[in-house]
Amino acid sequence: DGGITQSPKYLFRKEGQNVTLSCEQNLNHDAMYWYRQDPGQGLRLIYYSQIVNDFQKGDIAEGYSVSREKKESFPLTVTSAQKNPTAFYLCASNRGRADTQYFGPGTRLTVL
Amino acid sequence: QKEVEQNSGPLSVPEGAIASLNCTYSDRGSQSFFWYRQYSGKSPELIMSIYSNGDKEDGRFTAQLNKASQYVSLLIRDSQPSDSATYLCAVNVRNSGNTPLVFGKGTRLSVIA
Repeated sequence: DGGITQSPKYLFRKEGQNVTLSCEQNLNHDAMYWYRQDPGQGLRLIYYSQIVNDFQKGDIAEGYSVSREKKESFPLTVTSAQKNPTAFYLCASNRGRADTQYFGPGTRLTVL
Repeated sequence: QKEVEQNSGPLSVPEGAIASLNCTYSDRGSQSFFWYRQYSGKSPELIMSIYSNGDKEDGRFTAQLNKASQYVSLLIRDSQPSDSATYLCAVNVRNSGNTPLVFGKGTRLSVIA
């Protein structure tokens, strides 16, 4: 089946720890995106990548890092510098900038 | 200024009625428009895309685009309790480099049985 997978579904982190969220797609999409969603809020863009080995900061990149070594994979690291990381994290992909974005199932991160 | 505006709701409609969801955007050059549905605790799923002025129908859903008024709407006919969700409007902003879709904050719809 074609789609976007994210793991883990739930993640708990202690303050001061870095954690990495996985995002994989087998849709042969060039572009991939990371969003953060807080309760009752819209989607805020963290990072995006239009091509392998290249990525750009979104609106709230501080405290996050990404890599894009393979077309299929776009992992997101939430660093200890992110002051309030508890949120629902969504990965998305598409063929290019103006195309429909498809979302993965999301990872819910909770900082203890 | 990149901006997509939606009324946060909640919008409550009785079962069987027409639900009308509205979205305005600031960039007159926007070319692509999308409606997503998001159930509580789940990820957004695409309902419809629209690129040209006018109406586009898909089953019980109709998207309406008016580029002159910078307005896109989603009509849901014969609303069902299962339509209760948050509806996100997304717009592609022209001439914004590689900036991806801009999302509104969503409108929460409640269909009352």
